[in-house]
Amino acid sequence: AQKITQTQPGMFVQEKEAVTLDCTYDTSDQSYGLFWYKQPSSGEMIFLIYQGSYDEQNATEGRYSLNFQKARKSANLVISASQLGDSAMYFCAMREGSELTSYGKLTFGQGTILTVHP
Amino acid sequence: DGGITQSPKYLFRKEGQNVTLSCEQNLNHDAMYWYRQDPGQGLRLIYYSQIVNDFQKGDIAEGYSVSREKKESFPLTVTSAQKNPTAFYLCASKSLASYNEQFFGPGTRLTVL
Repeated sequence: AQKITQTQPGMFVQEKEAVTLDCTYDTSDQSYGLFWYKQPSSGEMIFLIYQGSYDEQNATEGRYSLNFQKARKSANLVISASQLGDSAMYFCAMREGSELTSYGKLTFGQGTILTVHP
Repeated sequence: DGGITQSPKYLFRKEGQNVTLSCEQNLNHDAMYWYRQDPGQGLRLIYYSQIVNDFQKGDIAEGYSVSREKKESFPLTVTSAQKNPTAFYLCASKSLASYNEQFFGPGTRLTVL
């Protein structure tokens, strides 16, 4: 079974509107971490936001927020007020287990290509 | 400036040749990682290392080898045993102090002709 599933191969959004990128995960560990990265066409991976499994509040970083629904095992990324520069591939990733037991390893989803229209 | 460097950005090799991709970081991070990315796909873990002179296989280690002789360096060798080596290779590092994110290098695009 896939550990991380991103069901939207591509998404389109109008500039200044909000968009939600879906991510579901599968783990039996109680301790885990969820990450979102952005990959522009240049190829580098840019860290956006992190949510720990024990965090009670949804993580937010500027225009990015993570809609964490633990019971549903989902960790959707919400981008508010989309900008043209947000056009990129977005990856959801999971660290299974604690930092100590996992050695910081991440498992990535297949990604979602976001296109922002003017 | 602190960061991770990978060189070269583009690399071409003939089939059957071994090739080594470099990865250097000056972030004083303990852990380093190598990932492979195929077109339109996510990243898959090749090898990782927590400390100098120690490394472990990731999910797709066959046909690859690594070394970790210095804390700041984690080169990846793509051997002739790797059946389909053409891909984008990304190196990452992180501090093991907490839940810190992995920091990525700019990547090397390897094409085997």
